[in-house]
Amino acid sequence: DAKTTQPPSMDCAEGRAANLPCNHSTISGNEYVYWYRQIHSQGPQYIIHGLKNNETNEMASLIITEDRKSSTLILPHATLRDTAVYYCIVRGEGRDDKIIFGKGTRLHILP
Amino acid sequence: EPEVTQTPSHQVTQMGQEVILRCVPISNHLYFYWYRQILGQKVEFLVSFYNNEISEKSEIFDDQFSVERPDGSNFTLKIRSTKLEDSAMYFCASQSSFSNQPQHFGDGTRLSIL
Repeated sequence: DAKTTQPPSMDCAEGRAANLPCNHSTISGNEYVYWYRQIHSQGPQYIIHGLKNNETNEMASLIITEDRKSSTLILPHATLRDTAVYYCIVRGEGRDDKIIFGKGTRLHILP
Repeated sequence: EPEVTQTPSHQVTQMGQEVILRCVPISNHLYFYWYRQILGQKVEFLVSFYNNEISEKSEIFDDQFSVERPDGSNFTLKIRSTKLEDSAMYFCASQSSFSNQPQHFGDGTRLSIL
């Protein structure tokens, strides 16, 4: 089973920041937090990942709490194209560790 | 940006027939995976493959399934005798040899068993 808990759905107004929470209270010290998204009928798309420091790339920012038991994915200026299911995943550092997907959060961007 | 490509995008097959799904991973990636997603359900891990052998497989990946890397670029999933319940999206993913790197997914093959 997935080691993360996410709200099933969220709404966000276009142009606003979308903040997607994730709980991973049983995360181990060597496990990373990964975020993927799946736009309808497409394959999962990698967004960002981190261990304990906050991370930022061209797509999003990842904020991990100091105790590492939760994190937030931030899409700074949401557009309609960001409508998707967002998956928060905890994964080990092994090179061939599989991904265990949960149900994710269905994010609706409202015009 | 390099991407994982999968063919065909949609495969329709009669029950009991063999089907081969094809994937071209990102060049220089060494770890390969297959996942599936039944309509309306979660993405499920099937198998991981490294150094020409299976690293791990799930309970779904029974004797009807096999994987192969027939040459330096392709990675295939074969289902020997398809069942109605094999109807799903099948996603291929690949990962570089460096640790703590993400898996990158293709856009999948929609397999429809009649």
